[in-house]
Amino acid sequence: DPKIIQKPKYLVAVTGSEKILICEQYLGHNAMYWYRQSAKKPLEFMFSYSYQKLMDNQTASSRFQPQSSKKNHLDLQITALKPDDSATYFCASSQARTVSGNTLYFGEGSRLIVV
Amino acid sequence: GDSVTQTEGLVTLTEGLPVMLNCTYQTIYSNPFLFWYVQHLNESPRLLLKSFTDNKRTEHQGFHATLHKSSSSFHLQKSSAQLSDSALYYCAPPDSGYNKLTFGKGTVLLVSP
Repeated sequence: DPKIIQKPKYLVAVTGSEKILICEQYLGHNAMYWYRQSAKKPLEFMFSYSYQKLMDNQTASSRFQPQSSKKNHLDLQITALKPDDSATYFCASSQARTVSGNTLYFGEGSRLIVV
Repeated sequence: GDSVTQTEGLVTLTEGLPVMLNCTYQTIYSNPFLFWYVQHLNESPRLLLKSFTDNKRTEHQGFHATLHKSSSSFHLQKSSAQLSDSALYYCAPPDSGYNKLTFGKGTVLLVSP
């Protein structure tokens, strides 16, 4: 059974709309991350959270907002969607907030297509 | 700028031939962990191997890599490619603050019969 659950797996959205990608991890990890992967760019870091606090943000646009209601939960809200936002969004987690020596475990991804 | 440089683009091999995927990195850390992640088609990335120790060979699932701090390299090798090795391979050094891994552009390995 997958230990990192992402919902939905596939999503088609209209330009200008807003969507939320859900992520829950059951590995007991303390840090969670969002990465994005598209045809134009490789696996690209977006956010890292530890104990529900934002640790790092590499996303230039404020249209992307992570939300953490619980330590094992990190959603990604995307507003004013654009076709360029089309990508697979991966949630990941690690035991500790430092990636030094710690393995990142990835969810199965949420494939977003914006039309 | 990029903190990791990998073998560019696509590497095609015939089954049975040796695999060598290059990775050189830049990091502010004198003792970094380096990682190789693999992503098969329609799957998510997963750890293949990692290393911290200078000049020590690390092995997993037939692949091996040796961290050489003197040359800032962590090349991935395998003695004999299998069809199932066809995948996207990412080398990853830790980024500043150790809050994230920054992945390179990735190398697609395609093994044919």
